[in-house]
Order: sequence, then C-alpha cells, then structure tokens
Amino acid sequence: DAMVIQNPRYQVTQFGKPVTLSCSQTLNHNVMYWYQQKSSQAPKLLFHYYDKDFNNEADTPDNFQSRRPNTSFCFLDIRSPGLGDAAMYLCATSRPGQGYEQYFGPGTRLTVT
Amino acid sequence: KQEVTQIPAALSVPEGENLVLNCSFTDSAIYNLQWFRQDPGKGLTSLLLIQSSQREQTSGRLNASLDKSSGRSTLYIAASQPGDSATYLCAVSSISSGSARQLTFGSGTQLTVLP
Repeated sequence: DAMVIQNPRYQVTQFGKPVTLSCSQTLNHNVMYWYQQKSSQAPKLLFHYYDKDFNNEADTPDNFQSRRPNTSFCFLDIRSPGLGDAAMYLCATSRPGQGYEQYFGPGTRLTVT
Repeated sequence: KQEVTQIPAALSVPEGENLVLNCSFTDSAIYNLQWFRQDPGKGLTSLLLIQSSQREQTSGRLNASLDKSSGRSTLYIAASQPGDSATYLCAVSSISSGSARQLTFGSGTQLTVLP
C-alpha cells in the first residue's frame, strides 16, 4: 500500500543534543510537510517542500531545519532541542492533481530530557 | 489571518446516535476544506476533502457539507459506533496564503461514542 512512513515512532533526546527525524513516502507526491503538534493543540506547520522548493513558515524557530534529498525522503533536523520542543512531529504529503489533499504519517513522538 | 474554530471541544454520545461536528472559519476565500480523524498518539487520517466549488462530500456513514459564504462546515456521522471515538479536525486552505498547499487547522472535537 502506498503510504507515508515516519521513523522512529518514538525518539528520546537530551537537552541540546541534535536529533533527526525522517519521513519517507511511496505516494510519489510533489509536496512534503512537517508539522509540530503539542498535546490537545492543532498541528502547526513548520515548513514544506514543493519538489525541491523549500518553504519556511515565518514563525518556525531557526533551531528547526529540513532536508529533502529526493522525492521520497524528507528529514527534520532539530539542532539544539529544548524542553519546549517535546511534541509529536507529523509528516504529510500532497500533490496538485488531488487538490493538495494531505496524507499523514503516523508521527514521531519526541521526548526531551 | 485565517482562523478555524471547532465547537464543542469534546462531545460524548451513546452508540447509534447520529451526530454533527461543527467547523467555522473566518475568511471565506478558500481553496478547499479537509476533515481529518486523529486517534490518540497517532497521525491524521484524511476523511473527506471538499473543494470550494462543492457543497458536500460523502464517504460511507460520513457526510461533510460546506457553506463557504457563512464560513461553516459540518461533518455528519450517521449511526455512530464506539470505533468512531477519536478527535476530528477540520482544516482549510486559504486563498490569502497564495497556495492550496497549506492548511490552517482547528483544534478539533474529541468525540467519545459510548457502548
């Protein structure tokens, strides 16, 4: 089945220790997104790629960066995680031919100790 | 700036009841509206997408309507089941954002269907 895959599902890191979350897709969608979701809150868009074109949200902290080496993979790098970065990180994909309907992965739960 | 509101934040109903979840948005200039389901600790599952030119979409026991002029959408769930228990989120893509790619989410309605 075509899908969006996120690894790992659970990640524990130490305060200030860089961490990378990964997302892959078999849908061959042009657009890939990273969202941050804290408990009982709406997902917050961090950035998205349209093909290789990177789009950063204005209020995304500099601490967050992303890489998309090819169509299938996208990475979220958190350079110096703080306690406030503990959250669920969601990856999603979409394509223009489907009205940009977004398909989400299962998420990575990040804990910062 | 687009704002999306979902009221109530939580809803509890007995099994078998038909129910309506509400979503409102402040800027009616939208490309589309999407309803999602989120189970605890999981990602979002797309339920229905309604284009701005459409009035409703149906999938199984779900029916979503869109009234763009009043900035409202409803998700109707027929004959609710305990397995429908989840948080339901609506999200819109706004013309003001310049692209249909980006969604603004509501905070969701947490639905519990009691056996």
